[in-house]
Amino acid sequence: ETGVTQSPTHLIKTRGQQVTLRCSSQSGHNTVSWYQQALGQGPQFIFQYYREEENGRGNFPPRFSGLQFPNYSSELNVNALELDDSALYLCASSSQGTQETQYFGPGTRLLVL
Amino acid sequence: QKEVEQNSGPLSVPEGAIASLNCTYSDRGSQSFFWYRQYSGKSPELIMFIYSNGDKEDGRFTAQLNKASQYVSLLIRDSQPSDSATYLCAVGASGTYKYIFGTGTRLKVLA
Repeated sequence: ETGVTQSPTHLIKTRGQQVTLRCSSQSGHNTVSWYQQALGQGPQFIFQYYREEENGRGNFPPRFSGLQFPNYSSELNVNALELDDSALYLCASSSQGTQETQYFGPGTRLLVL
Repeated sequence: QKEVEQNSGPLSVPEGAIASLNCTYSDRGSQSFFWYRQYSGKSPELIMFIYSNGDKEDGRFTAQLNKASQYVSLLIRDSQPSDSATYLCAVGASGTYKYIFGTGTRLKVLA
């Protein structure tokens, strides 16, 4: 167990809806990264938050947005859901805004119908 | 496009054998390298990280890094059926804070 928690564990939405995923980082960690993992693929970097600021972003459209709170927990919001957004969404926490080792939470499995 | 390449497998080895998993990367500026294990339906679990050229051992696992050849590998000694999983290679992309993952190698340890 890494101490990183995510909610919900599973979610079913329909195309066009909006979704919010939540992550609590491991104690002592101030950086949260979000990844999308499609079936049979490796995780793809969405963005990272450090001290409540976005600290880097991958090749995802603006309808993917996020927040980090003063307690270092984080949210991932996805608007106008598309069928291809169906995936496992992973949150990883680490210390400082660096390439320090990232520890993953259990993930949220999103299905878009 | 910075890439990380892994053979998707499956790599099948008998119980007790050495499993060798390989990964190549394209970003010469990368400084940090990670191996994660992922069981079906679960999230990635960190096995090892390596920053310097050479070998790093932790129990039955040995990570090997060769920056000149842009190659990182993971050896699993005395493989057990419980080692059957997908192994993800992750590389810290230079100039950023993100990891770039390979697609993973599926390992099957046969009892």
